[in-house]
Amino acid sequence: AQSVTQLDSHVSVSEGTPVLLRCNYSSSYSPSLFWYVQHPNKGLQLLLKYTSAATLVKGINGFEAEFKKSETSFHLTKPSAHMSDAAEYFCVVSQMNTGFQKLVFGTGTRLLVSP
Amino acid sequence: DGGITQSPKYLFRKEGQNVTLSCEQNLNHDAMYWYRQDPGQGLRLIYYSQIVNDFQKGDIAEGYSVSREKKESFPLTVTSAQKNPTAFYLCASKRESYNEQFFGPGTRLTVL
Repeated sequence: AQSVTQLDSHVSVSEGTPVLLRCNYSSSYSPSLFWYVQHPNKGLQLLLKYTSAATLVKGINGFEAEFKKSETSFHLTKPSAHMSDAAEYFCVVSQMNTGFQKLVFGTGTRLLVSP
Repeated sequence: DGGITQSPKYLFRKEGQNVTLSCEQNLNHDAMYWYRQDPGQGLRLIYYSQIVNDFQKGDIAEGYSVSREKKESFPLTVTSAQKNPTAFYLCASKRESYNEQFFGPGTRLTVL
């Protein structure tokens, strides 16, 4: 079965500094991986997805993630944090069960951005 | 505007009462999902439906029920059998042959 581990429950950065949110996955075959963002009391918004094409994936709002099979990692980065990036971020792996797609969620990383 | 709507945004329920959460989508997606979110945890799957008039239990279906009479609608009923119903509930949908799910804004249910 697939799983994801988000290595940090909280990450604090200053505005204008780089962001790194770490995610490791476990999968018995080539996975589909996603990063979603959730602002307080809101639904989830897709930031980016990896589906076995380019290993460096660019998403919305300047975020990108690199799929590294040798390290089973899919870390999320952004060169320069903005105050509006403060939110919860979920790393997600897609699992197929008898033709049905199931998403397996990490426990989330809360990003705090200080002025 | 295409999207997923959930209502109400906030819901309060007394213990022992059933309550129904609404989820509607106009994206023409076949598959729909219900998730529960608790603080410090990822989302957990309650029920899913791949087509009209068909639905399957997810990982935490006990105390919940659903129906899928129309493609656009996938309501969730939280019954009195659900021991700890206070949570944030999220509905999602997915287009066939695509990987990503699209989420609604959520309903926060509080049991008093």
